[in-house]
Amino acid sequence: GQQLNQSPQSMFIQEGEDVSMNCTSSSIFNTWLWYKQDPGEGPVLLIALYKAGELTSNGRLTAQFGITRKDSFLNISASIPSDVGIYFCAGRYNFNKFYFGSGTKLNVKP
Amino acid sequence: GAVVSQHPSWVICKSGTSVKIECRSLDFQATTMFWYRQFPKQSLMLMATSNEGSKATYEQGVEKDKFLINHASLTLSTLTVTSAHPEDSSFYICSVTGTASTGELFFGEGSRLTVL
Repeated sequence: GQQLNQSPQSMFIQEGEDVSMNCTSSSIFNTWLWYKQDPGEGPVLLIALYKAGELTSNGRLTAQFGITRKDSFLNISASIPSDVGIYFCAGRYNFNKFYFGSGTKLNVKP
Repeated sequence: GAVVSQHPSWVICKSGTSVKIECRSLDFQATTMFWYRQFPKQSLMLMATSNEGSKATYEQGVEKDKFLINHASLTLSTLTVTSAHPEDSSFYICSVTGTASTGELFFGEGSRLTVL
């Protein structure tokens, strides 16, 4: 099956720093999605990307759909303590098939 | 996006009993819902795709007699863990897709099952 490689696995940063994480796939996707999951809760959709090359922002978050359609990155600028959580990428090829990365655990020191 | 609600958010049960988890799409008629299982510090593992009015499609390695899925209406899908055992303890999350043109996936809050 399709593999999504997400990196880094975890990050420890200082409040105010920028953060970058990315996902790569062995196959192309039509949609890339980025989620944040807090402990004991379901993932919450942050950004959805639909076209190769697309760059989309949501507040301090920016994500891009790679031009090859096999990768995507998420940037968080000026991190704050509430950014702590696990971030997942997800790729969609067919309507009912979503593939998830292994997650990036973000820790922010005040 | 779609609002998805799960109930209960947590449940503790004795080994051998069955537990039912409900997933409701509150503002969207979901023809398709997905059930995921998540182990601690791991990613989401798709268990089955639930189609309204028809049998669920299970992923390889997921026992359909163990994890009964019913999707009787456009707003409700249920997952029943039958004869639960401690190894079934996990975080179960349902999700629904948005419109076909956007293909986004929206998740419920999750249900934590602990089997004693």
